[in-house]
Amino acid sequence: GIQVEQSPPDLILQEGANSTLRCNFSDSVNNLQWFHQNPWGQLINLFYIPSGTKQNGRLSATTVATERYSLLYISSSQTTDSGVYFCAVNTGRRALTFGSGTRLQVQP
Amino acid sequence: EPEVTQTPSHQVTQMGQEVILRCVPISNHLYFYWYRQILGQKVEFLVSFYNNEISEKSEIFDDQFSVERPDGSNFTLKIRSTKLEDSAMYFCASSEVGTRGETQYFGPGTRLLVL
Repeated sequence: GIQVEQSPPDLILQEGANSTLRCNFSDSVNNLQWFHQNPWGQLINLFYIPSGTKQNGRLSATTVATERYSLLYISSSQTTDSGVYFCAVNTGRRALTFGSGTRLQVQP
Repeated sequence: EPEVTQTPSHQVTQMGQEVILRCVPISNHLYFYWYRQILGQKVEFLVSFYNNEISEKSEIFDDQFSVERPDGSNFTLKIRSTKLEDSAMYFCASSEVGTRGETQYFGPGTRLLVL
């Protein structure tokens, strides 16, 4: 099956800093979603982005499908951005395959 | 904005007991999914469901698991005889028409603890 690798595994930032999270995948994809898992365990949909670039406030994402990676940018980070960020993809099946996540801690 | 809802938010059960986790997908969605996340691990696919039958399932989804759409709004996951290793967060998701290239919307999860 498709492999999904996320980096870095852990990231500590000071409030106000910017960061880039990366997701590499091993095959062409039909669906790519970025999620934020908050401290209560809820998965919050950030982006559906199998290709191209999208922005939503301080967050933006870019997927370069031909090179099989996606980037999530967080600008002017806030303590509420803390949590785990997951990338998930699918190819020939509808089932999403998740990466192992990037654990982000934003310190005040 | 329409949301997927799940009940209960937390459930504690004894090993060997049956549990039923409930989900209400977004109303006009046709494809439904269950995923689980063991504490500290990645989210894993269990099963997808369309038109009252299982569409895909993973190797995790063995005979102790079953899914059902008992009425026009609910979607349930039953675990017949729970094991300690079933302790996890269970997420329900739904998508509009079930094409591979569309957003899956996730519920808030049910945290299951098997003692």
